[in-house]
Amino acid sequence: GDKVKQSPSALSLQEGTNSALRCNFSIAATTVQWFLQNPRGSLMNLFYLVPGTKENGRLKSAFDSKESYSTLHIRDAQLEDSGTYFCAAEANSAGNKLTFGIGTRVLVRP
Amino acid sequence: ETAVFQTPNYHVTQVGNEVSFNCKQTLGHDTMYWYKQDSKKLLKIMFSYNNKQLIVNETVPRRFSPQSSDKAHLNLRIKSVEPEDSAVYLCASSPGGSAETLYFGSGTRLTVL
Repeated sequence: GDKVKQSPSALSLQEGTNSALRCNFSIAATTVQWFLQNPRGSLMNLFYLVPGTKENGRLKSAFDSKESYSTLHIRDAQLEDSGTYFCAAEANSAGNKLTFGIGTRVLVRP
Repeated sequence: ETAVFQTPNYHVTQVGNEVSFNCKQTLGHDTMYWYKQDSKKLLKIMFSYNNKQLIVNETVPRRFSPQSSDKAHLNLRIKSVEPEDSAVYLCASSPGGSAETLYFGSGTRLTVL
């Protein structure tokens, strides 16, 4: 968790609002992945990023390798967006293995 | 759509017993992984297999061993479980040899009494 720091640790959102999650890296990340773990425990891949941005529906993610951070924006939050969001970075120094953050717990309230 | 299948979903056992968890992927991927998720939700890689070759082996205790019959299957055996082995074990696969897009199974929650 130290090499990949996620913030905030927890977030409560009103349905229909927007928010942003962030990952800061103390390793030279080359790629970033974002995952959502639902309350049942299943991990779903949201984004795989090289430096740049991607958008998928109400989710948008950016990865800036020079400034060593990545963000995940949630637009018009829905109840099914609740869960724990993990970012994970791949770095040459880590043998191209993924290093995970400790997650951001998101609760979307009706 | 689930394409990485893990069994069992849950397992409760006593200290010292042997357990085995199964994982199968139907994506045609070349690499499979086992991750351990502890009580603080931190995910740590344990093993990965690429074309039946072990390519990553973190400093896990020797009582853990991966077993693969082909590239679609990677099982995890724990010989003589300890209380600290209680965790969720997640299997994953990726298309190539590096940490490309990972597809996870639904996990096996192990409780050691």
